[in-house]
Amino acid sequence: AQSVTQPDIHITVSEGASLELRCNYSYGATPYLFWYVQSPGQGLQLLLKYFSGDTLVQGIKGFEAEFKRSQSSFNLRKPSVHWSDAAEYFCAVGEYGNKLVFGAGTILRVKS
Amino acid sequence: EPEVTQTPSHQVTQMGQEVILRCVPISNHLYFYWYRQILGQKVEFLVSFYNNEISEKSEIFDDQFSVERPDGSNFTLKIRSTKLEDSAMYFCASSVTSSGANVLTFGAGSRLTVL
Repeated sequence: AQSVTQPDIHITVSEGASLELRCNYSYGATPYLFWYVQSPGQGLQLLLKYFSGDTLVQGIKGFEAEFKRSQSSFNLRKPSVHWSDAAEYFCAVGEYGNKLVFGAGTILRVKS
Repeated sequence: EPEVTQTPSHQVTQMGQEVILRCVPISNHLYFYWYRQILGQKVEFLVSFYNNEISEKSEIFDDQFSVERPDGSNFTLKIRSTKLEDSAMYFCASSVTSSGANVLTFGAGSRLTVL
């Protein structure tokens, strides 16, 4: 069965520091991969997606993610974190029919 | 930017009561979904809906749950007789197609608290 693992439940970084959120997936075919962000009181907002092609994908708010098939990973990165990036981040893999399978989420705290 | 709108944002109900959660998907989207997130757990797929019928449902989506599109704009999730374990955040989503490569747009969620 498809699954997504986000090994870090909480991460704290200083404002201006770089960020990497880890995501590993288990999926038999070529995966469709997504990162969503949820700020308090907000819905799940799409940050970026990978369907095919270039394995380094750019998203909104200065985020990027790299698909590594050999490691079954799709880690999210940002070179310099802003206080407004504090939120919960979800990695997901898309199945046919758009049934997304989500990871457990990583809560990002930004300290000034 | 088009949005998926959900109401209510928070509902408190007594166990055994019926609850209806409402969603207005993006107007040109054809596929509609409900997901839920129990506090501290993963976001889970409940059901997908297309052309006025359920296209797929998870094992969570038992006879207590139903969905319908009563008019051209609303998409509802009904829980017939709520249980304590139905307490969760319920997310509605919509998409243009059903391809796995398509993107779902989610609403802000409806938090259901069952007492």
